Amino acid sequence: ERVLTQSPAALSVSPGERATLSCRASQSVSSTLAWYQQKPGQVPRLLIYGASTRATGIPARFSGSGSGTEFTLTISSLQSEDFATYYCQIPGTFGQGTKVEIK
Amino acid sequence: EVQLVESGGGLVQPGGSLRLSCEASRFIFSAYWMGWVRQAPGKGLEWVANIKQDESEKHYVDSVKGRFTISRDNARNSLYLQMNSLRVEDTAVYYCARDGGVAVVGVGREFYYGMDVWGQGTTVTVSS
Repeated sequence: ERVLTQSPAALSVSPGERATLSCRASQSVSSTLAWYQQKPGQVPRLLIYGASTRATGIPARFSGSGSGTEFTLTISSLQSEDFATYYCQIPGTFGQGTKVEIK
Repeated sequence: EVQLVESGGGLVQPGGSLRLSCEASRFIFSAYWMGWVRQAPGKGLEWVANIKQDESEKHYVDSVKGRFTISRDNARNSLYLQMNSLRVEDTAVYYCARDGGVAVVGVGREFYYGMDVWGQGTTVTVSS
């Protein structure tokens, strides 16, 4: 069973700053990784697929990188609407999430 | 607009059954993998099951194997989740999602398209 571990569990960031979220897989998953954003009371939204490709309509400040077992989601300059919980996912499992909070 | 609409949630006693439905519209349903994801109150997302376009492959998270069955009816543009032997820990919002699937793009290289369309969810509460 493949396990995804996200770090940190929570991240406090000031608007305009850069946020870097990590996702580690227990074994190589090639580029089969996606990232999602979920705000309270809302449905998850696909941000990144194939580890680094932005989904339709996703702003350029969101970028994904990595392959194999180490992956990163970077938000280059946090906007107020970006404060949310972010999940990485491979087919069959999600990470436990990283909550990005306002500092 | 591409849409998924779930139904069938409700309150059920432990050991009971429910059948969730998800109706798709404005895309070629038969061309996509489909899946179910759940979220317990105050918790993270949990992948539950997915199904290939022609039902030839079905995958489940270990905690629901033998109790839940995923199926689809491409003629009705509908996805289903039959849930039997329900437990308190199955209490969650259940989301239906379109799954882009995995493509092999080279030797030892795969590419995953993610779950790009989600329904609004249906709530399942298992309680006595």
